[in-house]
Order: sequence, then structure tokens, then C-alpha cells
Amino acid sequence: DAKTTQPNSMESNEEEPVHLPCNHSTISGTDYIHWYRQLPSQGPEYVIHGLTSNVNNRMASLAIAEDRKSSTLILHRATLRDAAVYYCIRSSGTASKLTFGTGTRLQVTL
Amino acid sequence: AAGVIQSPRHLIKEKRETATLKCYPIPRHDTVYWYQQGPGQDPQFLISFYEKMQSDKGSIPDRFSAQQFSDYHSELNMSSLELGDSALYFCASSLFAGAAKNIQYFGAGTRLSVL
Repeated sequence: DAKTTQPNSMESNEEEPVHLPCNHSTISGTDYIHWYRQLPSQGPEYVIHGLTSNVNNRMASLAIAEDRKSSTLILHRATLRDAAVYYCIRSSGTASKLTFGTGTRLQVTL
Repeated sequence: AAGVIQSPRHLIKEKRETATLKCYPIPRHDTVYWYQQGPGQDPQFLISFYEKMQSDKGSIPDRFSAQQFSDYHSELNMSSLELGDSALYFCASSLFAGAAKNIQYFGAGTRLSVL
């Protein structure tokens, strides 16, 4: 099964950048790295994904290590609405299902 | 923009009863996924369909079955309900774009309570 390792929880102050790390040391060359988040009482929500190069979109940035064994999701300015569980998910071959790990619970405070 | 629609939002059943959950994907999406999230747990993949054919299967109990219809909506049928089936059930849809790249869009979920 595709495995990733994330810290259980992190805290951030509002308006500050947040760096959420993910370790995927056994990733294969064709696996993509996906990030989803789940706000309280809602379904998971896509955030960003990438393969090798760093990626940016309106929600976040994804920095992928050169050896691809780790990645970091960057929220440039955290808001209270960003408080959620963030999941780093490694795709496994041709399977398109998402295998959720324990994720990182992000708390954002004033 | 249209999102994934799930119905009902809440469902209360008794043990050994049956339940049917419905999912209406985003228009033009050809793939549907079902996930189960128990209390305090992370979502777990149950089953998926691509173009009305089962494409992948996870830890779905034999008591559960699902299908995708010609209009691409999907139904998850659950029989002989057990207390442990109480959970949030999420449906997601995607437009197949290569297995590793597809983005899944989730519905708000159906909260099933088995008493």
C-alpha cells in the first residue's frame, strides 16, 4: 500500500505561512503526490498535486524534494478557514483511488 | 459550478435493515468513487466505477454492493446493517485523465446512523 508519513498536528498563527511536510521515501518514479484537505464536517477537498517540479495554484504551493522522497505543502498566508486535516497521498501505479493516511491536523489561531 | 450531490444527507436505520445511498457526479465526469469514514477515522476507499464498470475495489463488505447507471449516477446498497456501519459515506467523481493525475471532487457525504 502507498505510504506517506505526516506529523499528526501543527499550529499556525493567522496571516503567517505554513509548511506542512510529508515523507514518501518509497515513492516510485511514476507516482504523483496529491494533497487533499478536509474541513470540519465536510468532504475532502483537492488542494494540489505534482510529480517532480514544484507546483503553484491559487490555494497553495507544493515543493517536491529533488529525490522525491519528501514534499511540503505551503500555505502562504494561513487563515482561520484553512484549519483542517491535510492529507498527503501518493498515487499507486494505475490505481486512481485515494489512500488516506492519518493526515496533519492544522490549527490556525488569531 | 455544479458539485457532487449525495442523498440523503442523513439516514437513520436499525440493525439488519437495508440502506441505499445515492450519488450524482459532476456533469461529464465518468468515474465515481465511494469512501467510508468512521467516527474519528480517516476516509477509506470502498469501490469505484469507470464508465459504468467497476474499476477498483477496496475494503467493502460483502453486504454492500454498488453500481453506476447509464446517467453516471451511482448507488451504494447496504444490507444487513450493523452498528459498525455507522459512518460518513462520501462519494467523489472525476474525469478520468490518467490514473495518477485525476482530481477527485467530493460530495458533502451521507451520515448513516445504525441503531
